[in-house]
Amino acid sequence: NAGVTQTPKFRILKIGQSMTLQCTQDMNHNYMYWYRQDPGMGLKLIYYSVGAGITDKGEVPNGYNVSRSTTEDFPLRLELAAPSQTSVYFCASSPPGLAGEVQETQYFGPGTRLLVL
Amino acid sequence: AQSVSQHNHHVILSEAASLELGCNYSYGGTVNLFWYVQYPGQHLQLLLKYFSGDPLVKGIKGFEAEFIKSKFSFNLRKPSVQWSDTAEYFCAVNSGTYKYIFGTGTRLKVLA
Repeated sequence: NAGVTQTPKFRILKIGQSMTLQCTQDMNHNYMYWYRQDPGMGLKLIYYSVGAGITDKGEVPNGYNVSRSTTEDFPLRLELAAPSQTSVYFCASSPPGLAGEVQETQYFGPGTRLLVL
Repeated sequence: AQSVSQHNHHVILSEAASLELGCNYSYGGTVNLFWYVQYPGQHLQLLLKYFSGDPLVKGIKGFEAEFIKSKFSFNLRKPSVQWSDTAEYFCAVNSGTYKYIFGTGTRLKVLA
């Protein structure tokens, strides 16, 4: 298993440009997440998905959009890039826990470093 | 709102020193607790987790953590650190929903 893969690894965007961060997992996990990691701030949840066709906002969703058309893929879209979106983005997935409760470990991808100038 | 506090932002230790990293959370119900580690240039990976049962949890690479419910704490410990333990450590809490709350992280530097 490749686990959770993310592309690209690094990208520089100009203000106002758009891009899609790709995330794929091959573990057949129901749950997928997007986080951003800023220095000294830990990880903040942007969006999450509990299965194909179902997504919901996390703590910091403004400026982002997601879709989940398949179990494997969970792309994150930036429509109008802003300097405040300079960050490292991590995708993660997890299987359902016992009785469908969310308890399990999250598996993280290697991250995408985004710089908006 | 739920929150996770890691009070030590930067820790510097010499090899063979003992380590304890603090983690406190704010949530009154049942929680699942995690410690993740991020080695330089790598992605986050699980060190250990607590769901229920014995409050003293052992993880990989000699790490352990103790859940103290009365103190809302889940501190990470290692009796003797190595240079290879240099990394950033994150405490995380999940209260049975789909949202995990992460602490701000502790950067550990171990001097050889």
